[in-house]
Amino acid sequence: AQSVTQLGSHVSVSEGALVLLRCNYSSSVPPYLFWYVQYPNQGLQLLLKYTTGATLVKGINGFEAEFKKSETSFHLTKPSAHMSDAAEYFCAVRSGSNTGKLIFGQGTTLQVKP
Amino acid sequence: DSGVTQTPKHLITATGQRVTLRCSPRSGDLSVYWYQQSLDQGLQFLIQYYNGEERAKGNILERFSAQQFPDLHSELNLSSLELGDSALYFCASSAAGGPYNEQFFGPGTRLTVL
Repeated sequence: AQSVTQLGSHVSVSEGALVLLRCNYSSSVPPYLFWYVQYPNQGLQLLLKYTTGATLVKGINGFEAEFKKSETSFHLTKPSAHMSDAAEYFCAVRSGSNTGKLIFGQGTTLQVKP
Repeated sequence: DSGVTQTPKHLITATGQRVTLRCSPRSGDLSVYWYQQSLDQGLQFLIQYYNGEERAKGNILERFSAQQFPDLHSELNLSSLELGDSALYFCASSAAGGPYNEQFFGPGTRLTVL
């Protein structure tokens, strides 16, 4: 079975500081991993995804994530936080080979302080 | 704007009632997903349809049912509503039904059961 654990339900950083949101996964099939962002009162938007190939993936808005199989991790980073990055972030893993069903983590709320 | 539309945006109803949530996928997308987001359960997959056929099922209650019509729009029917069904219900769509395809999320329908 597949599962996702996001460490830290709330993360607070200062504007300009490094953003690090942690995600660990468990998967019985080769993992496809995703990060989504949810702004207040909006739906989810895909930030980036890992399927195969390069383990460092770059996404929108300056975010990137590195797939580390040995650590079963897919942490999300951004070198310099911006006020507009304040949102809720979800890590997800695919459920199986023949479906797009996603298993989501509990989410991490990112607060950016001026 | 993801291109996925959901109606209504808000729904307030009483326990025991039945409601229908509607989703129109992005133009050309064949697959539709329904997710439930609540404070206690987080973001949970309910069901996926691909070109009118059920593709995958999550922990969807027997009181809930869904279908995808020939024009590819989808409806989620919730019956015998309970207080615990209050949540944000998201629809997402993707071009095909597999795990490679990006899912585009609608803005959600917020259901409040009183």
